[in-house]
Amino acid sequence: NAGVTQTPKFQVLKTGQSMTLQCAQDMNHNSMYWYRQDPGMGLRLIYYSASEGTTDKGEVPNGYNVSRLNKREFSLRLESAAPSQTSVYFCASTREFYEQYFGPGTRLTVT
Amino acid sequence: GENVEQHPSTLSVQEGDSAVIKCTYSDSASNYFPWYKQELGKGPQLIIDIRSNVGEKKDQRIAVTLNKTAKHFSLHITETQPEDSAVYFCAASFTGNQFYFGTGTSLTVIP
Repeated sequence: NAGVTQTPKFQVLKTGQSMTLQCAQDMNHNSMYWYRQDPGMGLRLIYYSASEGTTDKGEVPNGYNVSRLNKREFSLRLESAAPSQTSVYFCASTREFYEQYFGPGTRLTVT
Repeated sequence: GENVEQHPSTLSVQEGDSAVIKCTYSDSASNYFPWYKQELGKGPQLIIDIRSNVGEKKDQRIAVTLNKTAKHFSLHITETQPEDSAVYFCAASFTGNQFYFGTGTSLTVIP
């Protein structure tokens, strides 16, 4: 039981490049989330998916797209990376009103 | 949407002393309040949570209190140990699917 896994762990992009962050969970959870974490700002929700086939915007969705590929996988795509997207990205999953399990994070730098 | 404020942003205590972290929330509909511990380089991990039908919950050295009237909840850590040093986040939810996080408290326990 691996919990929530994220790839890659680290990434450096140039402005304008695109990339996809991958997330998978093996706990049969319905809900999955993408957050970004910036110093002094806590965790801010980018997108979430309450169930397979549905996605909803969170607090800071601009510049990102997501895909809930199946119940296990939820990917986050940056189409044209900007320096403001330099951050640590966390994927999480949960059953409703139960513990959120977080992945180890992806540290992204955009130069 | 919900707004969660967390204080203090940094906290230093002597080993064996108690630590208290406070959060306030704005939406009276919020009914689930988890606390997370984040160690350096890792994702947040749930340490305790409380639902709105309960005023206090304890788990060994950790306790959480909730005052629904005042819309605030607090984390209490007694007999602190060096391994308690980490960043702590509070959160609030009223849907069970979307969570709003505080900005975090960096706790240092001085041996």
